[in-house]
Amino acid sequence: GIQVEQSPPDLILQEGANSTLRCNFSDSVNNLQWFHQNPWGQLINLFYIPSGTKQNGRLSATTVATERYSLLYISSSQTTDSGVYFCAVGIGNQFYFGTGTSLTVIP
Amino acid sequence: EPEVTQTPSHQVTQMGQEVILRCVPISNHLYFYWYRQILGQKVEFLVSFYNNEISEKSEIFDDQFSVERPDGSNFTLKIRSTKLEDSAMYFCASRVVGLGTQYFGPGTRLLVL
Repeated sequence: GIQVEQSPPDLILQEGANSTLRCNFSDSVNNLQWFHQNPWGQLINLFYIPSGTKQNGRLSATTVATERYSLLYISSSQTTDSGVYFCAVGIGNQFYFGTGTSLTVIP
Repeated sequence: EPEVTQTPSHQVTQMGQEVILRCVPISNHLYFYWYRQILGQKVEFLVSFYNNEISEKSEIFDDQFSVERPDGSNFTLKIRSTKLEDSAMYFCASRVVGLGTQYFGPGTRLLVL
């Protein structure tokens, strides 16, 4: 199956700092989503972004499909941003999650 | 805002027992999915379902697993004879069309003793 690698695996930030999370994938895909898994285990949709750039408040994402990577930017981080961030890629109707980036934002 | 719901939120069972996990996808969605997440690990795809049949399945989805859409609203995952290693969070997801955002339910935490 397709390999999905995320970096960094762990990240600790001071509140107010910016960060960039990366997702690399090993094959062409027709779906890509970013999720935030909160401390209660819920998977929250952030972006559906198989290509291009989107922004939603302090978050933005860019996918360069031809180069098989996606980036998630978090600006002015808040303690509520803590949790694990996953990217998930899809080929056809089968999906593969990355191993996640665990983010801790400290006040 | 419509959301995917799952029941129960937690289930404890004995090894070898059958369990059925239930999901109610968002009402106008056509594609349905089950995933699992073993504690501390990544989310793993199990199966996708469209037009009343399995569309794709992973290697994890062996003969012990089955899915069903018994009526117009529910989508179920059955594990016939649970093993210790089936202990995990099970997520259901749905989406409207073949390309588009998947929406996840809150999960069922299954513990096999």
